[in-house]
Amino acid sequence: GDSVTQMEGPVTLSEEAFLTINCTYTATGYPSLFWYVQYPGEGLQLLLKATKADDKGSNKGFEATYRKETTSFHLEKGSVQVSDSAVYFCALRSNFGNEKLTFGTGTRLTIIP
Amino acid sequence: NAGVTQTPKFQVLKTGQSMTLQCAQDMNHNSMYWYRQDPGMGLRLIYYSASEGTTDKGEVPNGYNVSRLNKREFSLRLESAAPSQTSVYFCASSELSSNNSPLHFGNGTRLTVT
Repeated sequence: GDSVTQMEGPVTLSEEAFLTINCTYTATGYPSLFWYVQYPGEGLQLLLKATKADDKGSNKGFEATYRKETTSFHLEKGSVQVSDSAVYFCALRSNFGNEKLTFGTGTRLTIIP
Repeated sequence: NAGVTQTPKFQVLKTGQSMTLQCAQDMNHNSMYWYRQDPGMGLRLIYYSASEGTTDKGEVPNGYNVSRLNKREFSLRLESAAPSQTSVYFCASSELSSNNSPLHFGNGTRLTVT
């Protein structure tokens, strides 16, 4: 079945550092890939998405590229801010009529000033 | 812009009690979902409704029932709560059931079963 494996946390970085959170997936066919962010006490919010191979999703300075050859969708940001502290979830949604959005276990990111 | 609204935000139950978690969306979305979030396990799908009038089981449906009351509302019922159902519950909706349609989440219900 479909699965998502993402970098375990927690991750602690200094402000303005470069961020990478790794995500790899297993799926049949051509899934769509997503990154969601969860701030304390809130639900998940869509951060970015990519729907086909080589697509790059971007939002708020974050980027991720859909790499079919390595089955990866790593999240990157060039210069993190304290306000980026949150839990980040990688997810996929199959294109075989499957309603299910499959999530990774989440990576907690803390940015220190 | 209410989006997806869940009630209550917090609930404490004793083992064996029942309750219903309410969810409503105002985005005219067709599909709705219930997930539970547990530490170290990400989010797991309990039930979903692809469209008004239909419901289907997800990964972890045991101990739960759902009702798609109309296009806006999708409720989750625990008939006899167990400590294993202590979790944070999220309702979500999406415009379409196609794979590139993202989910929009509510702020969650934190449930403790003692």
